[in-house]
Formats: sequence, C-alpha cells, structure tokens
Amino acid sequence: GIQVEQSPPDLILQEGANSTLRCNFSDSVNNLQWFHQNPWGQLINLFYIPSGTKQNGRLSATTVATERYSLLYISSSQTTDSGVYFCAVEDAGNMLTFGGGTRLMVKP
Amino acid sequence: DTEVTQTPKHLVMGMTNKKSLKCEQHMGHRAMYWYKQKAKKPPELMFVYSYEKLSINESVPSRFSPECPNSSLLNLHLHALQPEDSALYLCASSQLDLVSYNEQFFGPGTRLTVL
Repeated sequence: GIQVEQSPPDLILQEGANSTLRCNFSDSVNNLQWFHQNPWGQLINLFYIPSGTKQNGRLSATTVATERYSLLYISSSQTTDSGVYFCAVEDAGNMLTFGGGTRLMVKP
Repeated sequence: DTEVTQTPKHLVMGMTNKKSLKCEQHMGHRAMYWYKQKAKKPPELMFVYSYEKLSINESVPSRFSPECPNSSLLNLHLHALQPEDSALYLCASSQLDLVSYNEQFFGPGTRLTVL
C-alpha cells in the first residue's frame, strides 16, 4: 500500500509564530486531505487538495502531486491551533491512508 | 450540512458483553467507513460500505461485525471484545458519486473501553 510520512512528528511554537508541516507519499494518489484532530478526538477537515494551492484564513496548503508531497502552512499560530495534524491520501480503491501525524503545541 | 453523528460518545463494556456503535449521516453520501484509532496513532481503516454493500474489510476480527441498514446509517456490532480493542472508533462518509471528488467527513467518534 501507499506509504505516507509526515514531518516533523512534534512541534512546539510560541503564539504568533509561523510553521510548515510536510507530507510525503510513496505513490500516485487520487486525493489528499489535511485534518486537524482536536483534544476530544474530532477530525476537522482543513483542506481537500489533490493538487495546487488553497488558502483558508491563516491556513494554506500546497500539493505537488508530480513530486508526491504536500505542505500545510500555519501563520500567526494561536493556542487553539494545538492538536494533531494529519495528512491522508486516497488510492485508486477509495481507501484513505493516514500519515503518522504532526503533534503541534502552541504556547501562549 | 457536513455532519456525521455517532452514538454513544463513550462506552465501557466487559469482555462478555454485546454492544453496538451507531453512525448517521444525512448528506446523501453513498460511502461510509469505520476506522479504529489507538492512542497517539493515526486512524486505521476497518470497513468500507459503498452503496450499502460491504466493499472493503481490512482483515478485521469477526468480533467486530458491521451493518449498513440503509444509505444513512452504519452500525458496528461488538461481541466478546478484548482489552486491546479499547480505542476511539471513528465513522466517516463520502459522496463517491464523482470520480474526481471523494472528500471524507468524520464523526466525533466513540471512545470504547473494554474491561
């Protein structure tokens, strides 16, 4: 199956700082999603981005499908951004495979 | 409305109990999924239902039995579970109608503890 690797595994930021999270995948994919999992376990959809660039407020994402990676940018981080960020890719069989996640802590 | 609901939120059960988890969506999605997530790990796919038919079973033990009564509902029946089955169980749904668009939306999960 497809391998999905995320980096860094852990990240501590001071409030107001910017960060970039990376997702590498081993094969061609149909789709790619970024999620934020809050402390209660809810997976919140951030981006559906099989290719190209999208922006939503302080967050933006870029996927370069030909080079098999995606980046999630968080600007002016806030304490509410804390949690785990997952990248997940969908193969031809509609199966979603998750990366290991990036655990983000934003300190006030 | 992009809401997937799951009940119960928390469940504690003994190894001899039988219980069921319930998932519901009203987005007209035709694919529904069960995932299992252990602490500090990513979600792992268990089952996929496409158009109310089981299409993927990721070698899940028979003590987990999925059921899709209709296109809006998905159940997971639990029987004779082991303590290592304690985890967060997540349900998701997706449209599946369009080849190029299949965004998955997740419910809040059921946190299961097996004693």
